[in-house]
Order: sequence, then C-alpha cells, then structure tokens
Amino acid sequence: SLKIEQNSEALNIQEGKTATLTCNYTNYSPAYLQWYRQDPGRGPVFLLLIRENEKEKRKERLKVTFDTTLKQSLFHITASQPADSATYLCAGGDTGRRALTFGSGTRLQVQP
Amino acid sequence: DGGITQSPKYLFRKEGQNVTLSCEQNLNHDAMYWYRQDPGQGLRLIYYSQIVNDFQKGDIAEGYSVSREKKESFPLTVTSAQKNPTAFYLCASTLDSQANQPQHFGDGTRLSIL
Repeated sequence: SLKIEQNSEALNIQEGKTATLTCNYTNYSPAYLQWYRQDPGRGPVFLLLIRENEKEKRKERLKVTFDTTLKQSLFHITASQPADSATYLCAGGDTGRRALTFGSGTRLQVQP
Repeated sequence: DGGITQSPKYLFRKEGQNVTLSCEQNLNHDAMYWYRQDPGQGLRLIYYSQIVNDFQKGDIAEGYSVSREKKESFPLTVTSAQKNPTAFYLCASTLDSQANQPQHFGDGTRLSIL
C-alpha cells in the first residue's frame, strides 16, 4: 500500500525566505497528493491538492509540485512569515479504499 | 459556520473502561473518518464511513468500534481491548466518497489513561 515519507526534522528558516518541504511516496503511485497545515492541539486544515497530471499548483504564497519520475512532491511557501510556523502534512490517495494515507509531517519554524 | 465538532477535548480512561468520543458535522457531508495521531507519526486510519449505516475498518481498527446511524454523527468507542489508547484522535469528513476530496477535520480529542 501507499507509503508517504516526510522529513521528520524541523525546518528552521528566516522570515522572508522561501520554505521548501519534501514529500516522497513509495509502493504505489497516487493519482493526487494533498497538503495540510496543522497547528499544535488542532486538527489539520486543507491547503492544496495536486493531481498526477499537474506539474505545479499555486495558491497565493503557496506552490506545490508533483514529480512522478522522482515520486516526490515539493511544497513551497514564499516570503515566509512567523505565522506560517506549523506542521505541514502530505497525504495521498491509496488504492482500494476511499481514504487518505498521511505522512508524519514536517514542522516549519519561521524566525522573525 | 459549518464544521466538525469533536467532544470532549480531553478524556481520561480507567483500566477496563470503554469510552466514546463524539464527532458531529453540519456540513452535510456523506463520508466521515476517524484517525489516530501519535507523536512523530502520521495520521492512521481507524474507521471510515461512506454513507449512513455503513462503515469499513481502516488500518488499526482493533480495539475500536463505530456506528453511523445519522449522517451528521460518527461516534468512536475505544474499548478495553485497546491496550494503548493514549493518543490524539481526529475526526474528519468529506463531501462524498470520491477519493480526491479535501478532508475537513475537527480539533481532536486527547485521550489519556488514568
């Protein structure tokens, strides 16, 4: 079944820089990937969805890419702000069931 | 505003006790899901329901039970058979059972053992 891997180490960057988070998948090629933001003690909030036939998707300061050759999605936040500090989760659709498989998330810390 | 309400926010369980976590949504969504989140791990699927009176086991269903008698409600019971229930439990819903739908989450219930 689908396995989603995200860097468990926190990413620390300076305000104004671009944050780039990585999501790798194995065992199965999902038809789409979704990205969520999760704040401590809260539920995840949906940010973006990208399909396998879409190379890139943008929403305001967010950009997601989907590389089926590398089996990887990159999530970018441009002009990062301290308010962007959170854990970001990658999730993909798995075969045989109508539910998502989630990665463990990457914590982003934006320093002022 | 429409959304998902989970209660209680914190719950404590004694040995041998069953506890029930509530999940209510007013989004008129067909599908609902229960996940468990442990530190440093991704969300793991416990159960999901695509429609009223129907539900399927997820990856870690043992020690849990659910019901879906109403469209807006999907309660999760953590039974005494679940030996390691301490975790953050998240309920989610989607408009329908199409796999690419964004999931809407509640703010979770944190369950601990007394």
